[in-house]
Amino acid sequence: AQKVTQAQTEISVVEKEDVTLDCVYETRDTTYYLFWYKQPPSGELVFLIRRNSFDEQNEISGRYSWNFQKSTSSFNFTITASQVVDSAVYFCASRRMDSSYKLIFGSGTRLLVRP
Amino acid sequence: DTEVTQTPKHLVMGMTNKKSLKCEQHMGHRAMYWYKQKAKKPPELMFVYSYEKLSINESVPSRFSPECPNSSLLNLHLHALQPEDSALYLCASSPRDRTTDTQYFGPGTRLTVL
Repeated sequence: AQKVTQAQTEISVVEKEDVTLDCVYETRDTTYYLFWYKQPPSGELVFLIRRNSFDEQNEISGRYSWNFQKSTSSFNFTITASQVVDSAVYFCASRRMDSSYKLIFGSGTRLLVRP
Repeated sequence: DTEVTQTPKHLVMGMTNKKSLKCEQHMGHRAMYWYKQKAKKPPELMFVYSYEKLSINESVPSRFSPECPNSSLLNLHLHALQPEDSALYLCASSPRDRTTDTQYFGPGTRLTVL
């Protein structure tokens, strides 16, 4: 069975600080997907990134970057120069790379960026 | 365009009411999902439709009844709900493509059962 752990329940930073959200996953599958979603106070889950298990390249998109390390089963998310609009709950999730539909979500990390 | 729309945004209903939640996508996706999310919890999968057929029911009580009239629409019919059913109900869709099957979510319906 898959499991995703987000140990940080809440993080509070001051605007312009860098912040890293941790995600640790457990799986017996050799092929799988990992995801990050953002949920602002409005409620919509916004897709941020999908990573395949065979692609360990780190990715950068503007102020966002993701560090995928299979050796430590981690898929961490860093926001550089945080902004107030980054305040949200962030969910890490995994999914088997087969016909299964089920996303396994972590418990989420609530990020508060203070001005 | 990765837009999933849901109506209504908010819904208040009594335990004897019958109501429906609606979800629509025009991305040509062939899988659609209903999730329930309680406050400060991650979303929980309820139902999955693949090619307009119900493929997964996560042991959801029968007072929730899903319907997929066509590939773009997904409904959730509600009847005789309990106050503990109050939650954010999220709809999602995905291409149903094994290599790129990302779920895209709608804004949700905030349901309050009195």
